[in-house]
Formats: sequence, C-alpha cells, structure tokens
Amino acid sequence: EIVMTQSPATLSVSPGERATLSCRASQSVGSNLAWYQQRPGQAPRLLIYGASTRATDIPARFSGSGSGTEFTLTISSLQSEDFAVYYCQHFNNWPPLTFGGGTEVEIK
Amino acid sequence: QVQLVESGGGVVQPGGSLRLSCAASGFTFSKYGMHWVRQAPGKGLEWVAFIRYDGINKYYTDFVKGRFTISRDNSKNTLYLQMNSLRPEDTAVYYCAQGSGYCDSWGQGSLVTVSS
Repeated sequence: EIVMTQSPATLSVSPGERATLSCRASQSVGSNLAWYQQRPGQAPRLLIYGASTRATDIPARFSGSGSGTEFTLTISSLQSEDFAVYYCQHFNNWPPLTFGGGTEVEIK
Repeated sequence: QVQLVESGGGVVQPGGSLRLSCAASGFTFSKYGMHWVRQAPGKGLEWVAFIRYDGINKYYTDFVKGRFTISRDNSKNTLYLQMNSLRPEDTAVYYCAQGSGYCDSWGQGSLVTVSS
C-alpha cells in the first residue's frame, strides 16, 4: 500500500498571502496524484488531477506541481473561501487508493 | 450538472447491516466508475470501494473485504453499498463519488453510526 504523507498538518496564513502545501508518497506514483478541498460541513471537491491539471471551474490561483514522490499544492493569494482542509490522493497501481492525512489552512 | 444523493444511513447495532444508496443524475451513469469513500468523525478521508462502469470489476479496502459489497443498477442510475457485520469503527459519513482513479464529483454524504 502506498502511504501518502502531508505537511504541515496545519498552516496559518493571512488572507492575500501565498500558501504552499506538501504531499509525499512512500513510492513513486508518477503524475497520478489528485488534490481535494473540504470546507467545514461540506463534501470534498476535486481541485487538481494528474498532479497539475485544474478541475472544471477551479480558479487559477490553485496550482499543482511535482511528480514521483514529491508534490505541492500552491494557493497564490488566499481568499476567505479557501480556508479549508486539503487532501492529496494517489491513483497509481491501485487498489487501494489512499489519501494523505490532510492539511488544514487556517486564518492567521 | 452532476448530482449524487446518498441515502440509507442511520444508527445500527454492532453486528448489524445497512444498505446505502446513491442516486445519480446529470451524467451518463452507465459510462462511469463509482467509489465509496468514508470519513470518521473528525478524521480524514478513507477509500472504501470501487465498481467499474459495467459492474464487472469491484475493489475493496482490506478493512471491509468480506463484509461490504458494492453494486450498481445502471437501469436505475443507482449505486449501492451493502454493509454487513458492522463494527463501531465503521462509524463515518459515507460519500459516493464519480470517477475512476480520482473522484470527480461527490455526494453530500450519509452518516452511519454503529453503536449499542
């Protein structure tokens, strides 16, 4: 099973600032990596797939990068609606699919 | 637009059974794989099961193998999760999601509580 590790667990950021979230895989997953956003009380929402492709209707301030075992989600200028929990998930040689433990982006 | 609506959750005793349903609309259901993903209270996301678009291939996480069964009825645009021998650690919000490797669209979730 591929283990996904996200860091940091919590990220404190001021509105308008840049946020950088990390995700590491225990073995190479190529570019088979997705990112999701989950706001409080809501279902997750797909942000990024294929490590760097934004899903439909996702704003350009969200960008994904990386390949192999190291991945990054960057939010260029945080808006109020971006304060949420973010999860990465691999989809390489599955099952099983596995998610990271999540990074909570909170208001500083 | 894609809409996924789960139902069937509730409170059940340990060892009991429950069947979740997920009604799909806004897309051609019979052409897409579907997942169940769960989230225990205050915890992260955990993938549970997947079924291919035609229902032929099914995959499960080890924690539910032999206890849960994923199925679908393409004539009714509905996904199911039959859960037997439920344990307290199965308590979670269960989401259905459209997609193959990753989850494109998600339902709002259905809460399952396993408690005596």
